Amino acid sequence: LAKTTQPISMDSYEGQEVNITCSHNNIATNDYITWYQQFPSQGPRFIIQGYKTKVTNEVASLFIPADRKSSTLSLPRVSLSDTAVYYCLFPRGANNLFFGTGTRLTVIP
Amino acid sequence: GAGVSQSPSNKVTEKGKDVELRCDPISGHTALYWYRQSLGQGLEFLIYFQGNSAPDKSGLPSDRFSAERTGGSVSTLTIQRTQQEDSAVYLCASKTDVWGEQYFGPGTRLTVT
Repeated sequence: LAKTTQPISMDSYEGQEVNITCSHNNIATNDYITWYQQFPSQGPRFIIQGYKTKVTNEVASLFIPADRKSSTLSLPRVSLSDTAVYYCLFPRGANNLFFGTGTRLTVIP
Repeated sequence: GAGVSQSPSNKVTEKGKDVELRCDPISGHTALYWYRQSLGQGLEFLIYFQGNSAPDKSGLPSDRFSAERTGGSVSTLTIQRTQQEDSAVYLCASKTDVWGEQYFGPGTRLTVT
């Protein structure tokens, strides 16, 4: 099973940069690393996906070191609306998707 | 465009009754997934459809749970003889192909009393 390890929760003040690191020791050569965001009472929403080095989109950046055994989701200048649960996972094939408990980020005014 | 829709949004049922949950995926999406999320927990994979076939049913927690998909589109998840531990949010997701991102519906909140 493609399992990952993330911190259970994090707190941050508004305007700060938040980095959430995920460990995935059993990642395979062709696995992509994917992050989802989930607000209360909603389904998860795709944020970003990457394979190696750095990927940036309008929402976040994803940093992946050369050994790919971990990855870091970076949220620049968080706002209260970024309070959510963030999941790190790597889809292995069509059906092997494992969502752990994720990281509950709370943004404080 | 239209996203994944699920119905009903909320369902309260008595223990022992059967329930049917419906998922309408995004048009053209061949892969469809069902997950269960208990309060404060991560998502638990239940079943995956590719077209109308279900190559992976490994996540279904018991034989009271079944799912079908017809016409490569709408899917129904059926829970027979519901138990209180079945209370959870049931989420459906679809995607275009093996490597695409999953698009989730809003979920159905099931409460078994």
